[in-house]
Order: sequence, then C-alpha cells, then structure tokens
Amino acid sequence: AQSVTQPDIHITVSEGASLELRCNYSYGATPYLFWYVQSPGQGLQLLLKYFSGDTLVQGIKGFEAEFKRSQSSFNLRKPSVHWSDAAEYFCAVGSIQYNFNKFYFGSGTKLNVKP
Amino acid sequence: EAGVTQFPSHSVIEKGQTVTLRCDPISGHDNLYWYRRVMGKEIKFLLHFVKESKQDESGMPNNRFLAERTGGTYSTLKVQPAELEDSGVYFCASSKGQGLSYEQYFGPGTRLTVT
Repeated sequence: AQSVTQPDIHITVSEGASLELRCNYSYGATPYLFWYVQSPGQGLQLLLKYFSGDTLVQGIKGFEAEFKRSQSSFNLRKPSVHWSDAAEYFCAVGSIQYNFNKFYFGSGTKLNVKP
Repeated sequence: EAGVTQFPSHSVIEKGQTVTLRCDPISGHDNLYWYRRVMGKEIKFLLHFVKESKQDESGMPNNRFLAERTGGTYSTLKVQPAELEDSGVYFCASSKGQGLSYEQYFGPGTRLTVT
C-alpha cells in the first residue's frame, strides 16, 4: 500500500540557515512525488513535483528536492531560510491507479524560523 | 482569479448534531476533491467529483458522510450525525482537468470540532 512518512513533526532553524525536510515513501511503481506548503490561514500550495527525468527538481520560493530511488526518499531543501518560510510542509505521492487524482500525504512537518 | 474558498472556516458542534461544509472551486474547474486531516495526522483523500458525478469516493469513512455537487459548481459535505472522531480539518481542492498536467488548488480548509 502507498504511504508517505515525514519523520520530523517540528523543525526549528535560524533565519539564513540551510534546511532539509525529510520524506520517505512506499509505493509499488514509479512514484510521482510532490511537496506542498501551508502557510497560516492559507490553502496548500504546490512547491514542486517530480514525475521523471532529472532527479533534482527546482520549485518555487527557492526550494528544491532530490529523488533518491535507492532510499525511497524525496527530501526538500533550501540553502537559506527566510522568516516567511515558517509554515507546514507536506510531502505527497500521487497514485497512478487513479490517474494521479488521488494523493497520499505525509503527516506534515512544521517549520519554525528563529530570527 | 479567486482561489478555492471554503465555508465556514471553523465550526464547533456537539456530538450527534449535523454540520454542512461548503466548497467553492475555482471557476471553470470541473474536478473537485475533498480531503481530511484528523488530529495532526496525514491528510487523507475522501472523494473526487468530475462535474456533478462522483468519480472516486473510496476514501469516505462511512455513511454518515454525504457529499454533493449539484450543478457541477460548488460542493457540500454533510456529516450527520457527527461523532467525536470526525474532528479535524477538511480541505477542498479543484483542478481544471485530471492527470499529471493539472495542478490541484487547495482551499484553506474548514476546522471542525465535535465536542
């Protein structure tokens, strides 16, 4: 069965420091992977997605993620965090069985940014 | 262009009562999805409409939940009677089409508290 694990519930980093949010997935076929962000009072916003090709994908707001098939991981990174990045981040895998309409999400990682 | 809107933003009801959540998708989006996040856990898929038809309702937890999308525009999700375990955040999303090419746009969610 498909599942997504985000092992870190909360992470705190200092503004300007680098960031890595972990995501591991379980999926029987080629995974289609996504990262979403939810800022307070807002809906989930798509940061980036991986379908195929280059395993390092670039997204909005300076984020990138690397797909590692051998580790079943799709970690999100940012070289220098800004205070406005404080939010909750969700990793998701899209199910090919349902023409990618059905997502399996992780439980989220809340990011706090220290000034 | 207005995003996905949800009403109310927060609802507190007693066990056994009925609550109706509303979602207005982005204009022109035929696909509408409901998701739920319970107690800080993962966001789970509930169902998917294409226009007024239910394409996939495999995630609906039980028959106390009824989703409708009359006329293929806005959608309602009714919980009757509500139970304590129904507390959580209910997200709605919409997309113009199905599959890889079409992003799902999420609303801010309705936080439901059942006491």
